[in-house]
Amino acid sequence: AQSVTQPDIHITVSEGASLELRCNYSYGATPYLFWYVQSPGQGLQLLLKYFSGDTLVQGIKGFEAEFKRSQSSFNLRKPSVHWSDAAEYFCAVGPSETSGSRLTFGEGTQLTVNP
Amino acid sequence: EPEVTQTPSHQVTQMGQEVILRCVPISNHLYFYWYRQILGQKVEFLVSFYNNEISEKSEIFDDQFSVERPDGSNFTLKIRSTKLEDSAMYFCASSVRRFNEQFFGPGTRLTVL
Repeated sequence: AQSVTQPDIHITVSEGASLELRCNYSYGATPYLFWYVQSPGQGLQLLLKYFSGDTLVQGIKGFEAEFKRSQSSFNLRKPSVHWSDAAEYFCAVGPSETSGSRLTFGEGTQLTVNP
Repeated sequence: EPEVTQTPSHQVTQMGQEVILRCVPISNHLYFYWYRQILGQKVEFLVSFYNNEISEKSEIFDDQFSVERPDGSNFTLKIRSTKLEDSAMYFCASSVRRFNEQFFGPGTRLTVL
């Protein structure tokens, strides 16, 4: 069964600092991978996705993520964090022929941005 | 930009009551989903729906739950007799095709007293 692990429950960074949020997945084949962001009181907004091809994918709001098959990772990065990036970030895997249409989410990483 | 909408944003109900959560998926999308997030826990898949029938459901989606597309725009989740443990944020999502990215609505927070 597919699974996703986000090792960091909570991360605090200063505004302007770089950010990396970790995501590890367990999956039998080439996965479809996603990062979603949830601001307080809001729904899940898609930041970026990886289906195939270039392993470095660009998303909205200046985020990027790199797919590393050898490490089963799909870490999210941003070179300079803004205060408005404070939110909860979810990594997700799926859907696929084997897992069906469901997305499987990680536990989420809460990002706090200090001024 | 088209988006998924959900109503109500917050629903409070008594244990044992029926609730219906409503969603309007993006208009050209063909696949519809419900997920839930119990406070402090992961987002969990409940059910997917295509061509007016359930295409997949999780073990959470028992006989208490049902989904329906009553007209050309709405997609509903019904919980027949709510329990305390049904308290959660319920998210609707839609996608153009089965293996495309899913776009989520803002959620309905259900509180069962």
